[in-house]
Amino acid sequence: AQSVTQPDIHITVSEGASLELRCNYSYGATPYLFWYVQSPGQGLQLLLKYFSGDTLVQGIKGFEAEFKRSQSSFNLRKPSVHWSDAAEYFCAVGTVMNYGGSQGNLIFGKGTKLSVKP
Amino acid sequence: AAGVIQSPRHLIKEKRETATLKCYPIPRHDTVYWYQQGPGQDPQFLISFYEKMQSDKGSIPDRFSAQQFSDYHSELNMSSLELGDSALYFCASSLTGGNIQYFGAGTRLSVL
Repeated sequence: AQSVTQPDIHITVSEGASLELRCNYSYGATPYLFWYVQSPGQGLQLLLKYFSGDTLVQGIKGFEAEFKRSQSSFNLRKPSVHWSDAAEYFCAVGTVMNYGGSQGNLIFGKGTKLSVKP
Repeated sequence: AAGVIQSPRHLIKEKRETATLKCYPIPRHDTVYWYQQGPGQDPQFLISFYEKMQSDKGSIPDRFSAQQFSDYHSELNMSSLELGDSALYFCASSLTGGNIQYFGAGTRLSVL
């Protein structure tokens, strides 16, 4: 069964420090991978996605993620965190889409809450 | 750019009442997804529609039903509400084959 694991429930970093949020997935085929960010009381905003090709993908707000098939990982990174990055981050895998009438759906990890110290 | 619109943003209901949540997808998006996010939880897939037909079904209770209309907006109908239905309900939309789901701001349902 497909699943997503985010090992860190809560991470605190200092403003200006680098950030890495971990994500491991379990999926039988080549996965579609996503990172979403959710600010308190807000919806889910797409940060970046991986479908195929270059394993290092760039997203919005200075985030990037690297797909490592051998480690079944898709870790999110940012070289210098800003106070406005404080939010909850969800890694997700997209199930097969456009197959047998299915449009697929997203399976989310439990999320990692990021706090930023001034 | 137009986004996914959900209404209402907040809803308070009593146990055993019914609730209807609405979702208006991004223009030209023909696929709509519904997710439920309980307090401190990750979003869980409920159901999806493509071209007004149900596409996939997740962990949606039998008390819930949904449909997609000719203008592609979707409604999630929830009956016999229980305390455990209190959650944030997200709608997302995508283009066929787009593989990217864009989320609305959600409807926060509180069942008292």
